Amino acid sequence: GQNIDQPTEMTATEGAIVQINCTYQTSGFNGLFWYQQHAGEAPTFLSYNVLDGLEEKGRFSSFLSRSKGYSYLLLKELQMKDSASYLCAALDSNYQLIWGAGTKLIIKP
Amino acid sequence: DAMVIQNPRYQVTQFGKPVTLSCSQTLNHNVMYWYQQKSSQAPKLLFHYYDKDFNNEADTPDNFQSRRPNTSFCFLDIRSPGLGDAAMYLCATSREQGAGMDTQYFGPGTRLTVL
Repeated sequence: GQNIDQPTEMTATEGAIVQINCTYQTSGFNGLFWYQQHAGEAPTFLSYNVLDGLEEKGRFSSFLSRSKGYSYLLLKELQMKDSASYLCAALDSNYQLIWGAGTKLIIKP
Repeated sequence: DAMVIQNPRYQVTQFGKPVTLSCSQTLNHNVMYWYQQKSSQAPKLLFHYYDKDFNNEADTPDNFQSRRPNTSFCFLDIRSPGLGDAAMYLCATSREQGAGMDTQYFGPGTRLTVL
């Protein structure tokens, strides 16, 4: 079956760095997405990786290893507004998104 | 600004009373999706349209129907809402499927309450 695993919840301190991990098992693979979702709101697109390596976009970076079925989202210089759920989603061979349940990130002052 | 719009943002209905949720997009994207999301869960794809081609997920109940009268609009009809259908309903669009144009852009969602 197809599956996405990511931690349910993480806590970090304002100004620090946090890494949210995601492992995936899909029928075929056409890329991996990270979305941010604030409570009661819709997901917003953060990043897309299809090749191995690190993609940096401001304070957020996303890494992919296709051979390991593994990705992480790295958030630097954490701000209180980064408190949200972070959803990992993999695109399978039929171009369907397989979603994780999300990691709730709690930022403490 | 190009965007995905959902109306209403909040919908309250009675058990068994049909309800229609609407989505419109100004992105001119070919693909439109409807998701159901319950608290602390992953979004669950109900169905999607590739242009006019309707694609229903195997486990989507018959109670859920959809219409896409033109490129810009898509509707979700819940024929007889049950208490278990209370959720956030998310509409999303993508330019294409494949060729690196799969990024999905979401509307703000409609939160459905069933009394």
